Amino acid sequence: EAQVTQNPRYLITVTGKKLTVTCSQNMNHEYMSWYRQDPGLGLRQIYYSMNVEVTDKGDVPEGYKVSRKEKRNFPLILESPSPNQTSLYFCASSLAPSSYEQYFGPGTRLTVT
Amino acid sequence: TQLLEQSPQFLSIQEGENLTVYCNSSSVFSSLQWYRQEPGEGPVLLVTVVTGGEVKKLKRLTFQFGDARKDSSLHITAAQPGDTGLYLCAADREDQGGKLIFGQGTELSVKP
Repeated sequence: EAQVTQNPRYLITVTGKKLTVTCSQNMNHEYMSWYRQDPGLGLRQIYYSMNVEVTDKGDVPEGYKVSRKEKRNFPLILESPSPNQTSLYFCASSLAPSSYEQYFGPGTRLTVT
Repeated sequence: TQLLEQSPQFLSIQEGENLTVYCNSSSVFSSLQWYRQEPGEGPVLLVTVVTGGEVKKLKRLTFQFGDARKDSSLHITAAQPGDTGLYLCAADREDQGGKLIFGQGTELSVKP
């Protein structure tokens, strides 16, 4: 089954404790991205990757890091989480950016206290 | 500044009613997509429109892309409780190398 998986689905952590949210896709997609979803703001892109070892900032990259060492994996790293990073996070993949269908993971709900 | 404005943000209607959701911008887009998101899940693509003036139908859903490719609408005929969810429009900016941006969403509730 074609899918994007994220782990963990839920995470409660404290300010400053480094964390990683994993994302993996099995569709051989070139393009992957991370979004955060906040009430009234829709989905905002954090980082995206056009291919292995190629990543770029989205609209809200501050406080986040990513890496793309393998085509299928695109982890999101929060080196020092802060309460304003409490949000619902989605990983997505597609054949290419723009008009191609984005396949989304199930989401990771992060709470930083 | 929200580059894609969706309206209304919330909509609560009775089963059988019709509704329209709007997605507007001052920017020109290469294409526009509509997604539907249910609680606890990621968004799922409904349709992509790419040509100005294009109309696409998906059962009781009708999607239209504005002639100038700056706006779009989603019309649902005879809404059903199963249509309940968050509807998101997304568009790629011609001046941003194809990066996708999302509207803030329309939360639709259809009561039986």
